[in-house]
Amino acid sequence: EVQLLESGGGLVQPGGSLKLSCATSGFTFSDYAMSWVRQAPGKGLEWVSFINGRGEYTYYGVSVQGRFIISRDNSKNTLFLQMNSLTAEDTAVYFCAKEPIVGATRPNWFDPWGQGTQVTVSS
Amino acid sequence: SYELTQPPSVSVSPGQTVSITCSGDRLGQIYASWYQQKPGQSPAMVIYKDDQRPSGIPERFSGSNSGNTATLTISGTQAVDEAVYYCQAWDSSTVLFGGGTKLTVL
Repeated sequence: EVQLLESGGGLVQPGGSLKLSCATSGFTFSDYAMSWVRQAPGKGLEWVSFINGRGEYTYYGVSVQGRFIISRDNSKNTLFLQMNSLTAEDTAVYFCAKEPIVGATRPNWFDPWGQGTQVTVSS
Repeated sequence: SYELTQPPSVSVSPGQTVSITCSGDRLGQIYASWYQQKPGQSPAMVIYKDDQRPSGIPERFSGSNSGNTATLTISGTQAVDEAVYYCQAWDSSTVLFGGGTKLTVL
């Protein structure tokens, strides 16, 4: 069974940084791309970033480009999201999601999703 | 910028058929997917690649995509289907989600 478990969320001041992790199990991690998707309180889904299985290809949403960095450690089956220069608009639940297609080099669809980790940016 | 537009809400009576639309310029030329999100839960994919149903998703869920509109159809809607549904597509190096449609089963 595929399992995705996010961690690292919390309360951070505006301008601060935070690093999220997504620990995975139940599949060959290096074969699959991963994404981060976020959901602000009471709002819809917003895609944040994508990384392919080998970490060669990355994509970012416009609102986080230049501030967030996606990475992965295939030896530890873990996905990361380094978030810098955080603002109140980054407050959201952050989900990691698996790309179902082996070897994908760009996002297609997301299945399954983790349970999410809350990030709150506030002074 | 490219956008995906969904109606904010739709309602249906139990046992009836309901369709949720997702509109975007030339959407039919790219793949659309659909996700179901119930309160307090993570989203779950119910349709991918326009009309493909993941394993474990009931046959009452179906999808289509043509022209400027992708459509999620639920036949024989059940109370358990009450949720927010999001469409999603990939275009010009970015992933797009529709704003979500709240399905109410009356």
